[in-house]
Amino acid sequence: GAGVSQSPRYKVAKRGQDVALRCDPISGHVSLFWYQQALGQGPEFLTYFQNEAQLDKSGLPSDRFFAERPEGSVSTLKIQRTQQEDSAVYLCASSSMLVGQYFGPGTRLTVT
Amino acid sequence: GDSVTQMEGPVTLSEEAFLTINCTYTATGYPSLFWYVQYPGEGLQLLLKATKADDKGSNKGFEATYRKETTSFHLEKGSVQVSDSAVYFCALSEGGSEKLVFGKGTKLTVNP
Repeated sequence: GAGVSQSPRYKVAKRGQDVALRCDPISGHVSLFWYQQALGQGPEFLTYFQNEAQLDKSGLPSDRFFAERPEGSVSTLKIQRTQQEDSAVYLCASSSMLVGQYFGPGTRLTVT
Repeated sequence: GDSVTQMEGPVTLSEEAFLTINCTYTATGYPSLFWYVQYPGEGLQLLLKATKADDKGSNKGFEATYRKETTSFHLEKGSVQVSDSAVYFCALSEGGSEKLVFGKGTKLTVNP
């Protein structure tokens, strides 16, 4: 595809439910990032993959958050037992050497 | 840790006015600096970047110069258009990491 795609674009979850957010990066991009953007704030780093290896997960806010990229392409961010404070836009970005990060449109998660 | 501080918004200008959005950073090393733009209903897009001191990034009439002595990367445009209305984010990445640290964003509205 032409850009990074994310699905679903919108997700409403009841508190306590598990959710899975998908990211399809640009073909051939080695690096993949997940960010969380709260309303009115800048994106905050969650985790980073190089191919299938998760090299940095220092931004994951709790052990309820889990990300994977098993074949070095598509990635899934999973949030278990969602809480209201998890409501945010989740952004995925991919990059290749020195070209900068290309962002997807994001998934807006609302926890009720 | 690393951080980015940018001018509080919102900023409202008339078409053809001069734009400055201030951005300063704190970093332990020698970061690369970026401006990203988010148009209404769209994902984040890289606007421009600079990787070393005194570098000037430019794109679409926007410019920003990497000033190490003042730890700043202010965004400027000589004559804004209605189509420039968007949220602008200043960001940095440190060392060998591509992880981005963002400011909170500045919303710009340009009126005809």
